[in-house]
Amino acid sequence: AQTVTQSQPEMSVQEAETVTLSCTYDTSESDYYLFWYKQPPSRQMILVIRQEAYKQQNATENRFSVNFQKAAKSFSLKISDSQLGDAAMYFCAWFRKGGSEKLVFGKGTKLTVNP
Amino acid sequence: GAVVSQHPSWVICKSGTSVKIECRSLDFQATTMFWYRQFPKQSLMLMATSNEGSKATYEQGVEKDKFLINHASLTLSTLTVTSAHPEDSSFYICSAGHWRNSPLHFGNGTRLTVT
Repeated sequence: AQTVTQSQPEMSVQEAETVTLSCTYDTSESDYYLFWYKQPPSRQMILVIRQEAYKQQNATENRFSVNFQKAAKSFSLKISDSQLGDAAMYFCAWFRKGGSEKLVFGKGTKLTVNP
Repeated sequence: GAVVSQHPSWVICKSGTSVKIECRSLDFQATTMFWYRQFPKQSLMLMATSNEGSKATYEQGVEKDKFLINHASLTLSTLTVTSAHPEDSSFYICSAGHWRNSPLHFGNGTRLTVT
């Protein structure tokens, strides 16, 4: 079974600084997606960034970027120039491509941004 | 972008009554919809997967007679919590997808309080 592990229950960062959230996963599949979702206090699930496993280039979305290491099964999220609005729970998730499979979530990392 | 609408966003009901939550995909056909439950400060727990026109697949430990799921069309799935009890109080969130596409899109969730 696929598993997703987020080893940092909580992280904090100073406003304008950079923070990296860790995520590792275990799968025998070769073609899949990885996602980072943000869940602010409103509890809405917001897609931050996604990565297709067959693409070697790391995905980037403005201040958010990932370090995808397929062989190591690692998928970390880097947030640059952190803003107060980045404070939220962040969930790493895995999804098998091409099927109606479920998202497999990590347990989440609570990010606090200090002014 | 793709939008998933979930209603109601907040509901209070008395113990013993039933509550229906709707999840609609507004601008795409959702072949698969997922229902999650989230306890405070925890990750999303998948309850069931519904495919249009077929019976839902429930995760282990989820009572199918308690949580009735219907996916009658490609744009609508419903979750009915039957004979609700206070322990059913939780945050319920749906997501929808099409097998050709990723990522899955989430509704804004429903906070259920059973008194």
